[in-house]
Amino acid sequence: DTGVSQNPRHKITKRGQNVTFRCDPISEHNRLYWYRQTLGQGPEFLTYFQNEAQLEKSRLLSDRFSAERPKGSFSTLEIQRTEQGDSAMYLCASSRLAGNTIYFGEGSWLTVV
Amino acid sequence: TQLLEQSPQFLSIQEGENLTVYCNSSSVFSSLQWYRQEPGEGPVLLVTVVTGGEVKKLKRLTFQFGDARKDSSLHITAAQPGDTGLYLCAGGTGSGGGADGLTFGKGTHLIIQP
Repeated sequence: DTGVSQNPRHKITKRGQNVTFRCDPISEHNRLYWYRQTLGQGPEFLTYFQNEAQLEKSRLLSDRFSAERPKGSFSTLEIQRTEQGDSAMYLCASSRLAGNTIYFGEGSWLTVV
Repeated sequence: TQLLEQSPQFLSIQEGENLTVYCNSSSVFSSLQWYRQEPGEGPVLLVTVVTGGEVKKLKRLTFQFGDARKDSSLHITAAQPGDTGLYLCAGGTGSGGGADGLTFGKGTHLIIQP
C-alpha cells in the first residue's frame, strides 16, 4: 500500500477565498474520512464516504464546506468563503470496511489570513 | 456524545524512565486505537485493540484495553527521546454511519528529555 496521500500539504489563503484539498486513499479502501484538527486538540470527524456515497456529515461541516468522491476513489474537500476560524489541519483517512483500522494521511494545513 | 478523556495532557520525563498514559470514557467502544503524531504530520497508527482485557506489546510499548472496553492505557518502558510526540487514543463503535469514524481524545503531549 502506498498510503493515504493529501495535497496540497500547505495552503495559505486570504479570507473570503475558496480552497480545495484532494485526498487519494489507499487503493481498494472503500471508506474515506475527513477530519479537522486544530492546535492542541485531537482530530474531529467531519464526514465520510463509502465508495462514492457520502453517508454522514458532522455538524462541524457548515454550508461552506463540501466534499465529494465522484468515482469512489479520490476525494476533494472544498471550503468556500474561507474564514480565519477555518485555519486548521485537514486530515484524510481511509479504511477497508466498517470497524476496520483507519489510516491517516499527512494532512493539509490551511492558514487563512 | 461519546467522549474520551486522556491523562495526563502533558508529560515531560527523563530518558530511561517508565510512564503510563490513560484513556477513559463512560462509553463502550468496539475497538480502540492508539496513534502517535508528530508536529505537522498526520497520526500514525500504533495499535488497535478490540477485546476487553486485551494486552498488546509493541517493543517497549504495552497497550491494554479495559475489561469493559471503556478505557485503555499505554505504558512505555525505558522511554527514549524518539518516543517524543502526541499520543492519541481513538474509539470506534463500528455500528455504522459516521460512528464508524473515530472519536479522538485530545491527546497526551509526551516529551522525553535526553
